[in-house]
Amino acid sequence: SQQGEEDPQALSIQEGENATMNCSYKTSINNLQWYRQNSGRGLVHLILIRSNEREKHSGRLRVTLDTSKKSSSLLITASRAADTASYFCATGPSGGYNKLIFGAGTRLAVHP
Amino acid sequence: GAGVSQSPSNKVTEKGKDVELRCDPISGHTALYWYRQSLGQGLEFLIYFQGNSAPDKSGLPSDRFSAERTGGSVSTLTIQRTQQEDSAVYLCASSLPRGPSGGIHEQFFGPGTRLTVL
Repeated sequence: SQQGEEDPQALSIQEGENATMNCSYKTSINNLQWYRQNSGRGLVHLILIRSNEREKHSGRLRVTLDTSKKSSSLLITASRAADTASYFCATGPSGGYNKLIFGAGTRLAVHP
Repeated sequence: GAGVSQSPSNKVTEKGKDVELRCDPISGHTALYWYRQSLGQGLEFLIYFQGNSAPDKSGLPSDRFSAERTGGSVSTLTIQRTQQEDSAVYLCASSLPRGPSGGIHEQFFGPGTRLTVL
């Protein structure tokens, strides 16, 4: 079963605009990761944020984590057409191995 | 360096036939995961290997599904007597094991095998 939900399910923006995607989860976690998927195939790891971190940056990506609300957000600034993809959050449990539980994803379309 | 590879990239089979999906993880990655992704959905965990053993098979949807890993490297996911609901993209990922202090390592995903059961 999936850990949580992402919203919106789909997002359509113009190049240069910012895109914000949200993820909620249900259980306690050790880490939360964001992945990108193009054309329904392999996933590309974007960023990992640990449960004791609140914000992380990587290039045009900014991820926040609020463990009290069990939620995370991914912000892509100055979007490009090449950012068009599906974005998934995945949570890793507090103990044991890192069995990732994925959300259903947000489909982002960036129009030139 | 080489990433995770999977074969075949596409597989079309008839209902009732058996299929084998292969995953070659990154060399040195002792942790290996299989996931399944149905159309328009997120990934669903199937099974986890640490080395050659599978301490967590909880995601396998039925006893028609099995997986093995040999030499701590290549893994094969077998689906017997395939059904139409087995149609999905099957993704494999590998990573270094969790560190002694609990450190998490990124999972690297293969390109997946798209299985279509007619």
